[in-house]
Amino acid sequence: DTAVSQTPKYLVTQMGNDKSIKCEQNLGHDTMYWYKQDSKKFLKIMFSYNNKELIINETVPNRFSPKSPDKAHLNLHINSLELGDSAVYFCASSQGHRDEQYFGPGTRLTVT
Amino acid sequence: KQEVTQIPAALSVPEGENLVLNCSFTDSAIYNLQWFRQDPGKGLTSLLLIQSSQREQTSGRLNASLDKSSGRSTLYIAASQPGDSATYLCAVRRQGAQKLVFGQGTRLTINP
Repeated sequence: DTAVSQTPKYLVTQMGNDKSIKCEQNLGHDTMYWYKQDSKKFLKIMFSYNNKELIINETVPNRFSPKSPDKAHLNLHINSLELGDSAVYFCASSQGHRDEQYFGPGTRLTVT
Repeated sequence: KQEVTQIPAALSVPEGENLVLNCSFTDSAIYNLQWFRQDPGKGLTSLLLIQSSQREQTSGRLNASLDKSSGRSTLYIAASQPGDSATYLCAVRRQGAQKLVFGQGTRLTINP
């Protein structure tokens, strides 16, 4: 009974393509996040949504566009993929921004 | 700007030993601090959350302490087991901020 799930788990694609990653949580949380973990394992926040409203938007290229159709879902669409986008992308959720965050299993994106 | 540092980057100990992982942060005005565990190719699992008003939290063989004034937290693991092998990450939420700032983690190996 997965709490935070992501699809796909692996994604291999060529430069210039457009791809999406989906995230769903069944914890009833109102806040969701996207993080990027680079090759050095450094984890940085990209976006956060609270009740479908964008709260955090770090310095991320405009090619990345999050979409939250409802409180339980937060998708990440990436246009014109570049080699440097290769990383593991994690979705997370919490109840408000102050509570414990729960992470999904990650999506390993490889751009060739 | 909040910076989080974890030392050492890697640690290898024999099974059964007690050990301490360190986390330091530059801005002591934090709201809470969270310790996570990450297994290879997996997502993050929350271990302990310490609020700024707390000094420590315990869960089973794990004990996390917090000293805001010195900008430090430690994760104590008692009677280590091979199953404890993983990367341990600490993350800090600054007061008034809505995001977690992560350290780069300590890769722990418990040798049977």
